[in-house]
Amino acid sequence: GNSVTQMEGPVTLSEEAFLTINCTYTATGYPSLFWYVQYPGEGLQLLLKATKADDKGSNKGFEATYRKETTSFHLEKGSVQVSDSAVYFCARSGGSNYKLTFGKGTLLTVNP
Amino acid sequence: GAGVSQSPSNKVTEKGKDVELRCDPISGHTALYWYRQSLGQGLEFLIYFQGNSAPDKSGLPSDRFSAERTGGSVSTLTIQRTQQEDSAVYLCASSLAGGQGSEYGYTFGSGTRLTVV
Repeated sequence: GNSVTQMEGPVTLSEEAFLTINCTYTATGYPSLFWYVQYPGEGLQLLLKATKADDKGSNKGFEATYRKETTSFHLEKGSVQVSDSAVYFCARSGGSNYKLTFGKGTLLTVNP
Repeated sequence: GAGVSQSPSNKVTEKGKDVELRCDPISGHTALYWYRQSLGQGLEFLIYFQGNSAPDKSGLPSDRFSAERTGGSVSTLTIQRTQQEDSAVYLCASSLAGGQGSEYGYTFGSGTRLTVV
């Protein structure tokens, strides 16, 4: 079946450090790929997405590239801020395209 | 409305009681989803509604769980005879269209935190 595996947290960084959160997905079908972010006490928000191979999604300084050859969609940011502290979820669409399968989430804490 | 609204935001109930969780999706969004978020388990798909089509109930964990969507808008998730393992955050999401909804991405509500004591 469809699954998403992302690096386990928690991840703790200092402000302005480089961030990578790894995500891999099962290579069934032609999924769309997403990163969602959940700030403390809030619901999930769509951060960025990519719908086909080699697409790059970007938003708020975050980027992720759809790599079909490695079935990966790693999230990166060149310089994190304290306000980026949140839980990040990688997700893929399903074979029928409507259902999203999520990874378990990675807690990021950025210290000043 | 402007966003997906869920109520209540928090619910504490005694084991064995029934609970109802409500979701009001974004106006015009035909697709509605329920997910469960448990500590350390990520998000678990529960049920999906698309327009007037029969819902996809494949994620409901037991027959104690049921959901309905009235008039293609508001949805209610009902858990009967609650158990402690039902404790979780229940998230509702909506999207423009089910078939392509995952390409647009979902809009999530803030969730209902259910605690069964």
